[in-house]
Amino acid sequence: DGGITQSPKYLFRKEGQNVTLSCEQNLNHDAMYWYRQDPGQGLRLIYYSQIVNDFQKGDIAEGYSVSREKKESFPLTVTSAQKNPTAFYLCASSIAGQGAYEQYFGPGTRLTVT
Amino acid sequence: QKEVEQNSGPLSVPEGAIASLNCTYSDRVSQSFFWYRQYSGKSPELIMSIYSNGDKEDGRFTAQLNKASQYVSLLIRDSQPSDSATYLCAVNMFTPGTASKLTFGTGTRLQVTL
Repeated sequence: DGGITQSPKYLFRKEGQNVTLSCEQNLNHDAMYWYRQDPGQGLRLIYYSQIVNDFQKGDIAEGYSVSREKKESFPLTVTSAQKNPTAFYLCASSIAGQGAYEQYFGPGTRLTVT
Repeated sequence: QKEVEQNSGPLSVPEGAIASLNCTYSDRVSQSFFWYRQYSGKSPELIMSIYSNGDKEDGRFTAQLNKASQYVSLLIRDSQPSDSATYLCAVNMFTPGTASKLTFGTGTRLQVTL
């Protein structure tokens, strides 16, 4: 079954702790993305990567970091510098390139920081 | 400011009726347009993509694009209670030399009543 997996589904952390969210895909997609969704809001792009070992900041990258060491994996670290980390985090993937390609989403990780 | 706008709703339609969801976008050079369905607590699911002016039909769904008016819509025929969800409009705002990125609207909540 091809798809995108994210783990864990729910994550609880204390303020001041870094936390890493997992995203894995077996769709053979080169491009991967991280979005954040807050209640009643649209999706906002955090980071994206078009190819292994390369990634770019999105619109709200402050307080987050990523790595792309493997094509299949694009983990996101929410650092203690992120002021409002509680949100629904969504990973997506697509074919890479200059054109516009359909993005497919994983099931998401709901992070709560207290 | 590049953005995508949608009426937040809720849009309430009776079962069996046509639901019409609208989206406007600000960037005239946008080339690709997508509709996602998001059930409460779940991740977005791609339901339609459209790239050219005119209509594109897929089952009960029809996407309509008018680039001159910077307007894209989604029609759902024979609406069912299972169509009750939030519908997100996403627009690819292509910038030469950069990777493809999607900008999402905040979504329209659709309620199909019995």
